[in-house]
Amino acid sequence: NAGVMQNPRHLVRRRGQEARLRCSPMKGHSHVYWYRQLPEEGLKFMVYLQKENIIDESGMPKERFSAEFPKEGPSILRIQQVVRGDSAAYFCASSPSRLAWAQETQYFGPGTRLLVL
Amino acid sequence: GDSVTQMEGPVTLSEEAFLTINCTYTATGYPSLFWYVQYPGEGLQLLLKATKADDKGSNKGFEATYRKETTSFHLEKGSVQVSDSAVYFCALKGSGGYNKLIFGAGTRLAVHP
Repeated sequence: NAGVMQNPRHLVRRRGQEARLRCSPMKGHSHVYWYRQLPEEGLKFMVYLQKENIIDESGMPKERFSAEFPKEGPSILRIQQVVRGDSAAYFCASSPSRLAWAQETQYFGPGTRLLVL
Repeated sequence: GDSVTQMEGPVTLSEEAFLTINCTYTATGYPSLFWYVQYPGEGLQLLLKATKADDKGSNKGFEATYRKETTSFHLEKGSVQVSDSAVYFCALKGSGGYNKLIFGAGTRLAVHP
């Protein structure tokens, strides 16, 4: 059973460009979470999605950041007009959806390391 | 709001030494508690978890006990190995609301032969 997949693993962008980060959850998981890790810091929650729905986006910056999880295909975290402060590791996690208790454990992908020049 | 506080690192130990990494939390209700480990250049792996008071999570020789009276979830291992060198994150999921994890800042462990 493949784990959570993220691509690309490394992404370099110049200021003002757009960054698109993709996350494919584990098979059978329909809950996706995005976290950001700044250098030498812990992970900070950004957004929680289910298929075609944003459930909690309380950690998302108000501007330039958006996320989606379509019915088909991976979840996408999009950052428009990137700035140097967006340089970080972005991690996606997924959890199963059948029972409430089963949502306890989140399984993380390897992350996308974004560098903005 | 909910928060997690971990002891600052780095923690440097010799192989076979005893490890303790302190973690305390602030949360309303009855959160679930987790320890994740991050090896260099990789994502986070779940190490162990506990979902209610007095539960003990254990895995790969690591263990942690959910202590509600002291709001703590300290990570311990009796004899560390060089391969345990990594960053360890304590995290909680609140009992109410949605499923987001709240992480501590992480503690880097370096084990020398």
